Amino acid sequence: NAGVTQTPKFQVLKTGQSMTLQCAQDMNHEYMSWYRQDPGMGLRLIHYSVGAGITDQGEVPNGYNVSRSTTEDFPLRLLSAAPSQTSVYFCASRLEGNTEAFFGQGTRLTVV
Amino acid sequence: GENVEQHPSTLSVQEGDSAVIKCTYSDSASNYFPWYKQELGKRPQLIIDIRSNVGEKKDQRIAVTLNKTAKHFSLHITETQPEDSAVYFCAASPFSGGYNKLIFGAGTRLAVHP
Repeated sequence: NAGVTQTPKFQVLKTGQSMTLQCAQDMNHEYMSWYRQDPGMGLRLIHYSVGAGITDQGEVPNGYNVSRSTTEDFPLRLLSAAPSQTSVYFCASRLEGNTEAFFGQGTRLTVV
Repeated sequence: GENVEQHPSTLSVQEGDSAVIKCTYSDSASNYFPWYKQELGKRPQLIIDIRSNVGEKKDQRIAVTLNKTAKHFSLHITETQPEDSAVYFCAASPFSGGYNKLIFGAGTRLAVHP
């Protein structure tokens, strides 16, 4: 039982490049979400999903896309990376009926 | 939308002292308030949480209190130890988002000195 796994751990992108941050969980959790963490700003919700095929926007969705084709995976896509998207990204999952969110180990993204 | 303010941003205590971190929220309909601890370079981990129908919850050396009228909640750590040193985040969950929309405070960096 690996929990929530994010790949890659580190990534450097050039402005305008696209990439996908991967998130997978093996706990059969219905709910998954993406946060970004910036110094002095805590964690901010980007997108979340309540189950396969269902996604919704969080506080800061612009510049990011998500999809949820399976219960296990919730990838985050950056369509055209900008320096403002330099951040640490965390994926989290939660079991229905339970309030605790379990976080992945994070992806540190730098856009130059 | 919901907004969560957290104070102080840094806190330094001596080992054995108590530490208190306070948060205020704006959405009176928020109904769930977790606290997360994040050690340097690690993922956030839940340490304690409270729902809006409870005023206080305790788990060994940590406790959380909630004042719904004033819209604030606090984390209390007693008999602090060096391993309590970390960044602590409070969060609130607006009723409209269920438990999926956690709005976080900016964090408090706690340093416990031996």
